[in-house]
Amino acid sequence: GAGVSQSPRYKVAKRGQDVALRCDPISGHVSLFWYQQALGQGPEFLTYFQNEAQLDKSGLPSDRFFAERPEGSVSTLKIQRTQQEDSAVYLCASSRDGRGYGYTFGSGTRLTVV
Amino acid sequence: EDQVTQSPEALRLQEGESSSLNCSYTVSGLRGLFWYRQDPGKGPEFLFTLYSAGEEKEKERLKATLTKKESFLHITAPKPEDSATYLCAVQRNRDDKIIFGKGTRLHILP
Repeated sequence: GAGVSQSPRYKVAKRGQDVALRCDPISGHVSLFWYQQALGQGPEFLTYFQNEAQLDKSGLPSDRFFAERPEGSVSTLKIQRTQQEDSAVYLCASSRDGRGYGYTFGSGTRLTVV
Repeated sequence: EDQVTQSPEALRLQEGESSSLNCSYTVSGLRGLFWYRQDPGKGPEFLFTLYSAGEEKEKERLKATLTKKESFLHITAPKPEDSATYLCAVQRNRDDKIIFGKGTRLHILP
């Protein structure tokens, strides 16, 4: 597609529920990044893939967070046993080669945990 | 620790009133510094990349400059449609991770 597509756009989860957030990157983009953006804050790095390889997951806040990109295109960010502090916008970005100027962000998934 | 600090947090200007946004950074091995614009409910949109001290980039009413410790985003004669959050970010040589500041919320009054 022409841009990075994320779904759902909005998700309300009850505390303790598992959620899965999807990212469809731009076709052919090698690198894929997940960021978490709390209200009024800048995006915080979560994890990074190059093709299907997860090269850096140092930003994942806990072992409840898990990301995958099994075929090197679509990626899923899964959050198990959601907590209120997980409420945020989750942004996905893709890049042809990992260079910052080539990042294209999706519009994000707004997760609200109640 | 690598860090990006933006100031002010928020800025209200009258239409046509020029100003500058500041981004100070500490990073070991800078690959590039980036400016993004973010509108409510949208993801960040790329504006500029700067690679070395002394470099400048311009786009319409915006000009970005870079020194060894900070970057400025100058806004000349802004219009209401320039209202947005402006994010500064740095990328390190040793990996592809981009580290963002908290942003400056800019509001241009007509």
